[in-house]
Amino acid sequence: DIQMTQSPSSVSASVGDRVTITCRASQGISSWLAWYQRKPGKAPNLLIFAASSLQSGVPSRFSGSGSGTDFTLTISSLQPEDFATYYCQQANSFPYTFGQGTKLEIK
Amino acid sequence: EVQLLESGGGLVQPGGSLRLSCAASGFPFSSYAMSWVRQAPGKGLEWVSAITGSGGSTNYADSVKGRFTISRDNSKNTLYLQMNSLRAEDTAVYYCAKDQLHSSGWYRGYFDYWGQGTLVTVSS
Repeated sequence: DIQMTQSPSSVSASVGDRVTITCRASQGISSWLAWYQRKPGKAPNLLIFAASSLQSGVPSRFSGSGSGTDFTLTISSLQPEDFATYYCQQANSFPYTFGQGTKLEIK
Repeated sequence: EVQLLESGGGLVQPGGSLRLSCAASGFPFSSYAMSWVRQAPGKGLEWVSAITGSGGSTNYADSVKGRFTISRDNSKNTLYLQMNSLRAEDTAVYYCAKDQLHSSGWYRGYFDYWGQGTLVTVSS
C-alpha cells in the first residue's frame, strides 16, 4: 500500500497568513493526489484534484502543486472559515490512502 | 443538487453483521463510481471500498477484504455495504462518497460529494 505522510500534524496561523501543508507519498503517484478540507461535524470537501486542479466553487486562495512523491497545499491568505483539518489522498492505485491530517488552528 | 444519505448504522456485537445504505439523488447514479470511507474515533480518514457505476468492478481495503461486500442497485439509486464478522476496530462513522469521473466502468478516485455519515459501533 502507498503510505501518505503529511506535515506538520498541526499548525497555528493568523487570518491573512500564508500557510503551506506538505504531503509525501511512499512511492511515486504521478499527479494522482487530492486535498480535502474537513470541518467538525461536516463531510470532507474536495479542494484540489490531480495535484493542482482547483475543484469548482473552491476559492482561488487554495492552490496545490507537486508530482511524483512530494506535494503541497498552499492557502495564500487565511480566512476565518479556513480553520479546519486538511487531508491529502492518493488515487494512483487501490487501496486509496489518506494522509493522517493537518489541523489548522487559529493563533 | 447532489445528495447522499447514509443509513443503517448502529450498535452491534463483535462478530455480528450490519448493512449500510446510501441513497443518492441529484445525479445519474449509474454513471459514477462510489466508495465507502470511514473515520474511527480520533483517527483519520480510511478508504474502505469502491464500486464502478455499472457494479462490474469492486475493490476493498485489506482490513475489510473477505468480510465486507459493496454493492449497488442502480434502479433504486442506492449503494450498500454489507459488513460481516464485525470487529471493535470497525467502529467508525461510515461515509459514502461519489467519484468525480462520469463513467459507468471506471474510477478516478477523487470524491466530490460525501454524505453526512452513519455511525457504526461494534461493542459487547
